[in-house]
Amino acid sequence: AQKITQTQPGMFVQEKEAVTLDCTYDTSDQSYGLFWYKQPSSGEMIFLIYQGSYDEQNATEGRYSLNFQKARKSANLVISASQLGDSAMYFCAMREGQVDSSYKLIFGSGTRLLVRP
Amino acid sequence: DSGVTQTPKHLITATGQRVTLRCSPRSGDLSVYWYQQSLDQGLQFLIQYYNGEERAKGNILERFSAQQFPDLHSELNLSSLELGDSALYFCASSEGAGGGDEQFFGPGTRLTVL
Repeated sequence: AQKITQTQPGMFVQEKEAVTLDCTYDTSDQSYGLFWYKQPSSGEMIFLIYQGSYDEQNATEGRYSLNFQKARKSANLVISASQLGDSAMYFCAMREGQVDSSYKLIFGSGTRLLVRP
Repeated sequence: DSGVTQTPKHLITATGQRVTLRCSPRSGDLSVYWYQQSLDQGLQFLIQYYNGEERAKGNILERFSAQQFPDLHSELNLSSLELGDSALYFCASSEGAGGGDEQFFGPGTRLTVL
């Protein structure tokens, strides 16, 4: 069964430094997608970045990049130049499903990031 | 703002009661997904509708039901509520049935069962 593992329940980073949030996944599907979402204390889920299993290049979106290592089944999120507003819960998720099927997301347990001034 | 709206934002009710959560997807999105976020279970997929039809079911209790209407808005009905149903309920929408489609999440409805 598909599974997402986030082993870091909480992390600290100094403002302006880079931080890596770990995510490993388990799937037997050849086609899958990996997502990262941010959940601030206000509760909403904010999409950050997406990586498809067939994408050869690592995805990047502004200060966010995804370090995709397919053989190791890892999809770590790298946040560069951390800002105080980056303090939030971060969830890694995998899209499960195939063509003509459902594409529900399976979420990891999350990592709470605190950015120190 | 994701463009997905959910009402109400907060809901407080008693055990045994029934509530309805409402979701309006982004304009043009045909898929609606419901997720439950609780302290002990984390974020879990409940159910998906695509263009009015049920597409997939996750860990949705029999006491819960959902539907998607012709105007594509969706409702999640929770009945015979228990204390453990207290959670944040998210609705998400995507353009198609999935694939590489990003799922846009609404702000959530926080349900408290007393």
